[in-house]
Amino acid sequence: DGGITQSPKYLFRKEGQNVTLSCEQNLNHDAMYWYRQDPGQGLRLIYYSQIVNDFQKGDIAEGYSVSREKKESFPLTVTSAQKNPTAFYLCASSGPRGVYEQYFGPGTRLTVT
Amino acid sequence: KQEVTQIPAALSVPEGENLVLNCSFTDSAIYNLQWFRQDPGKGLTSLLLIQSSQREQTSGRLNASLDKSSGRSTLYIAASQPGDSATYLCAVLEKSSGDKLTFGTGTRLAVRP
Repeated sequence: DGGITQSPKYLFRKEGQNVTLSCEQNLNHDAMYWYRQDPGQGLRLIYYSQIVNDFQKGDIAEGYSVSREKKESFPLTVTSAQKNPTAFYLCASSGPRGVYEQYFGPGTRLTVT
Repeated sequence: KQEVTQIPAALSVPEGENLVLNCSFTDSAIYNLQWFRQDPGKGLTSLLLIQSSQREQTSGRLNASLDKSSGRSTLYIAASQPGDSATYLCAVLEKSSGDKLTFGTGTRLAVRP
């Protein structure tokens, strides 16, 4: 089955700790994305990567970091510098070229107390 | 800056009704428009993708239209069922932004048995 997996589904952390969210895809897509979803605000883009070893900041990148060492993987680290990290995080990938349809993973709900 | 608006924000209908969800966008220079469905606490499921050169797309009971010149898209759901209850999101891919999508805030649909 082709698709996007995110783990874990739920994540709890204490304030001040960094945490890494996993995203893996087996769709052979070049581009991958991280979004944050808050109630009533819609999806906001955190980071995106169009190719391995390259990534760009989205609209709300402060307090987050990413890496793209493999085509299949795009992990997101929520650092202690992120002021309001509690949210629902969604990973996506898009392809093929010329169509650019985005596919989403099941999401990770992060709660920081 | 592209802005995407969805009206209404919430909708409740009896089972069997045909219904229309609306999406408007401010910049008509889009590459494509995508409609998604999101169930509570879940990721997004792609329903339909309309390329900028297309006028409509159909999948089962769903039909999406695109009028790029007026900055509007509609999602038509025929013979609604309780299982259609979810939040419906539209998103546009701009030619100037690479592969980034801009999302509306969604329409929350409830279909009453």
